[in-house]
Amino acid sequence: KQEVTQIPAALSVPEGENLVLNCSFTDSAIYNLQWFRQDPGKGLTSLLLIQSSQREQTSGRLNASLDKSSGRSTLYIAASQPGDSATYLCAVNKASNTGKLIFGQGTTLQVKP
Amino acid sequence: EPEVTQTPSHQVTQMGQEVILRCVPISNHLYFYWYRQILGQKVEFLVSFYNNEISEKSEIFDDQFSVERPDGSNFTLKIRSTKLEDSAMYFCASSEEGSWTEQYFGPGTRLTVT
Repeated sequence: KQEVTQIPAALSVPEGENLVLNCSFTDSAIYNLQWFRQDPGKGLTSLLLIQSSQREQTSGRLNASLDKSSGRSTLYIAASQPGDSATYLCAVNKASNTGKLIFGQGTTLQVKP
Repeated sequence: EPEVTQTPSHQVTQMGQEVILRCVPISNHLYFYWYRQILGQKVEFLVSFYNNEISEKSEIFDDQFSVERPDGSNFTLKIRSTKLEDSAMYFCASSEEGSWTEQYFGPGTRLTVT
């Protein structure tokens, strides 16, 4: 059974710092991995999608990497800003044709001005 | 930019009542999903839907739940005989082609069962 774990559960950094969020999964048979942002009481905003054949994806100040064989992904945020404060979720799409996403519990990030 | 919309944003119902949560997926998307998030817990998959059929459903998605695409734009989740433990945020999502494409989520419906 696929399990997704995110470490740390919470992180507080000063503005401007670069940071890394971690995601691990137990079964390497995945189609892809998706990173989301969730603001309190709100929906999920897709940040990056990495296909299983890719090693990394970049969008602006965000860079996500994937090491499928070791069951790990990282989300790197450069030059963090207070507006980056949110919960970041990773989700793996297991290798089936149904699109089921399995989520981690998230890392809650606070960026202090 | 196209987005997934959901109504209502908040629904309060009494235990034992039926509720219908509505979603309008992105117009050219073919795959549709429902997820839920109980307060303080992980987002959980409920069901995926393609070509007017359920593709996969979780253990949570028992006979109490049903989904329907009643017309070309709406996608609904019906919960019969609601229980206190059904209180959660329910998210609809859609994706363009297959299960390997990016899923876009709606803002959610907060269901409170009293």
